[in-house]
Amino acid sequence: AQSVTQPDIHITVSEGASLELRCNYSYGATPYLFWYVQSPGQGLQLLLKYFSGDTLVQGIKGFEAEFKRSQSSFNLRKPSVHWSDAAEYFCAVGAGGNTPLVFGKGTRLSVIA
Amino acid sequence: GAVVSQHPSWVICKSGTSVKIECRSLDFQATTMFWYRQFPKQSLMLMATSNEGSKATYEQGVEKDKFLINHASLTLSTLTVTSAHPEDSSFYICSARYRGNEQFFGPGTRLTVL
Repeated sequence: AQSVTQPDIHITVSEGASLELRCNYSYGATPYLFWYVQSPGQGLQLLLKYFSGDTLVQGIKGFEAEFKRSQSSFNLRKPSVHWSDAAEYFCAVGAGGNTPLVFGKGTRLSVIA
Repeated sequence: GAVVSQHPSWVICKSGTSVKIECRSLDFQATTMFWYRQFPKQSLMLMATSNEGSKATYEQGVEKDKFLINHASLTLSTLTVTSAHPEDSSFYICSARYRGNEQFFGPGTRLTVL
């Protein structure tokens, strides 16, 4: 069965500092991997996705993620965090087609001045 | 493109009443939609998979007689919470499958049962 682990429940970073959010997945085949961001009371916005090809994927808002098959990881990074990045971040894995996504428990990002 | 809407965005109802939530794919056809539930400060949990023209597939532990799902057209799926109780208060989010491997999410519906 698919599963996603986001080890960090809450992370606080200073504005302008770099960010890395961790995501590990468990899946038998090549997974489809996603990062979503959710602001309080809002729906999910897709930041980026990995299906195949280049293992370093670029997303919106200056985010990137790297797929590392050997480590079963898909960590999200941003070189310089802005206060508006404060939100909940979810990593998700899917098998494609008519299968639903499986989400991690999320990492709450706080940004301090 | 690939916009999913939900209506209403927020609903308050009395215990024992039924509430219908709509999920629409605005600019594409979706043969499959998914319904998730999210409790405060928690992740999304899949409730059911909604397939156009057929019965929904419910996840283990989800009462199909309580959470009625209808996917009558390629752009609309509805979730009806029947005889709602305070413990059904939650954030309900739908998603629609788009171009095979992507899912786009609606903005969510916050249900509060008094």
